Amino acid sequence: AQKVTQAQTEISVVEKEDVTLDCVYETRDTTYYLFWYKQPPSGELVFLIRRNSFDEQNEISGRYSWNFQKSTSSFNFTITASQVVDSAVYFCALSEASWSGGSNYKLTFGKGTLLTVNP
Amino acid sequence: DVKVTQSSRYLVKRTGEKVFLECVQDMDHENMFWYRQDPGLGLRLIYFSYDVKMKEKGDIPEGYSVSREKKERFSLILESASTNQTSMYLCASKKGQGANEQFFGPGTRLTVL
Repeated sequence: AQKVTQAQTEISVVEKEDVTLDCVYETRDTTYYLFWYKQPPSGELVFLIRRNSFDEQNEISGRYSWNFQKSTSSFNFTITASQVVDSAVYFCALSEASWSGGSNYKLTFGKGTLLTVNP
Repeated sequence: DVKVTQSSRYLVKRTGEKVFLECVQDMDHENMFWYRQDPGLGLRLIYFSYDVKMKEKGDIPEGYSVSREKKERFSLILESASTNQTSMYLCASKKGQGANEQFFGPGTRLTVL
């Protein structure tokens, strides 16, 4: 069974600090997908990134970057020069590619990390 | 702008009542999902549907049922609400069979007294 662990329950930083959110996953499949979602105080989850298991290239999007390492089964998320608007709960999620009796690319979520960026 | 909408942001019901949570998406997505979100537990999948009238149990289906009579609408039903079903309920939709991103609604915070 697949599993996602976000060991950091809460993180608090001061604006302009860099912060890394950890994500460790478990899966028996060789083909899988990893996601990050952001949930601001308004409640609606917002998709940030998807990465497939064959693409270990790191990705950067503005102040956001992601480090995918299959050797350690980790998909960490770094926010550079954090801002107050980055305050949210961040979820890492895993989707296995195998079809299993209708289990069509279900997402398994970690428990989330609450990031608070203080001014 | 693509959207997933949920019928209520906040709902208060009494124990034993039948509760309907409605979700509508305007993206013509085949797949729709219902999750509940509880502090310290993250999001847990209750039910999902990959086509009209099709449904699959998720990880915590007990005490819930679903209905998908039209492609754009996916309803979650609490046949007899209980206090342990007090939670945030999130609906999502996804296009196709691939591992595409899910689009989420704003959530319904249900309180069962």
